[in-house]
Amino acid sequence: AQSVTQLDSHVSVSEGTPVLLRCNYSSSYSPSLFWYVQHPNKGLQLLLKYTSAATLVKGINGFEAEFKKSETSFHLTKPSAHMSDAAEYFCVVTGFTSGTYKYIFGTGTRLKVLA
Amino acid sequence: GAVVSQHPSRVICKSGTSVKIECRSLDFQATTMFWYRQFPKQSLMLMATSNEGSKATYEQGVEKDKFLINHASLTLSTLTVTSAHPEDSSFYICSASPESRPHTDTQYFGPGTRLTVL
Repeated sequence: AQSVTQLDSHVSVSEGTPVLLRCNYSSSYSPSLFWYVQHPNKGLQLLLKYTSAATLVKGINGFEAEFKKSETSFHLTKPSAHMSDAAEYFCVVTGFTSGTYKYIFGTGTRLKVLA
Repeated sequence: GAVVSQHPSRVICKSGTSVKIECRSLDFQATTMFWYRQFPKQSLMLMATSNEGSKATYEQGVEKDKFLINHASLTLSTLTVTSAHPEDSSFYICSASPESRPHTDTQYFGPGTRLTVL
């Protein structure tokens, strides 16, 4: 079975400093992994996706994530935080059941950016 | 590309009435659409998977008679909350997977619908 754990429910950083949002996964096969961002009262926006190609995945808005199979991790990083990055971030792993890919969501990490 | 819309964005209704929420894929055809529910400050919970032209598959614990899902075309799925009660108040989000890439697993999400039942 597939599962995903986001290790921090809240992360606070100062504007201009690096961001690290941690995600560990469990999967019985080579998974697809995603990071999504959700601003208040909005839907989810895809930041980036890993599908067994390059292990370092670059996404939108300067975010990137590295797939590390040995550590079963897919941490999200950004070199310099902006105020607009304040939002909820979800790590997702896919599970294939009943002929359909389903998303398995982490519990989310709320990123706060301090001026 | 890959835009998904939802209508309405917000709805307030009286207890006992039914509410319909529409989910549309605007620039692609979606064989599969998903409906999620999100409680405040929590993650998304998958309610059901809807495939065009067939019955929806509901997750365990989701009442299929209460949450009616119809996926009549490759661009439209609807969720009807029947006989709504205050405990049904929530943020409902749909997503869609493009038909043109049947083996992909990327979902594109709508902006969500805030349902408040008085």
